[in-house]
Amino acid sequence: VQLVESGGGVVQPGRSLRLSCAASGFSFSNYAMHWVRQAPGKGLEWMAVISYDGNTKYYADSVKGRSTISRDNPKNTVYLQINSLRAEDTAVYYCARVRVTYDSSAYYAYWGQGTLVSVSS
Amino acid sequence: AIQMTQSPSSLSASVGDRVTVTCRASQGIRNNLAWYQQKPGTAPKLLVYASSSLQGGVPSRFSGSGAGTDFTLTISSLQPEDFATYYCLQDYNFPRTFGQGTKVEIK
Repeated sequence: VQLVESGGGVVQPGRSLRLSCAASGFSFSNYAMHWVRQAPGKGLEWMAVISYDGNTKYYADSVKGRSTISRDNPKNTVYLQINSLRAEDTAVYYCARVRVTYDSSAYYAYWGQGTLVSVSS
Repeated sequence: AIQMTQSPSSLSASVGDRVTVTCRASQGIRNNLAWYQQKPGTAPKLLVYASSSLQGGVPSRFSGSGAGTDFTLTISSLQPEDFATYYCLQDYNFPRTFGQGTKVEIK
């Protein structure tokens, strides 16, 4: 199982960014996927989840309304787009796969290495 | 959103010590709780899920317990590789919420 995030970088406040997480080594279309972030020196913050079929999505209050999680099962990739970026969105963003198939639980058996997003002018 | 409060925020312990970290939920979450370990510069690692089930490959010195609002992660005999930050995460409803973390340091 491998999860590889990309798309991070330095972005100006108010701009948008789309993060990608490429999955391999398992049947991607059978697993819900989550995004979790961690601001520098801070704790973990759950961001969003998408069900295995893409039909169900939930978001953290901090990004609800300006964030979209999506997936492309044939491409084995999950995405997180965040709009109207703020300084407080600066963080390492991780994608994570749940333990069991068809389950949207928060029991993450596998994590990516993370991608750093820095929001700064 | 459900608030998860961990205590202590940090602790100092010696190799071989028994260590206990607690997590309290602002409302009942049945047994829908996980514990994660994170070392600096790395992604978190799942230790315990459903309050007391040990994830495969995790040493048996780790154990979890609790239900409702009060939960505990215990390390029966602290090893050098266990010095890390530990987080609880409620899996009861959305938005999922983490505790603020407990840093276990070397005494």
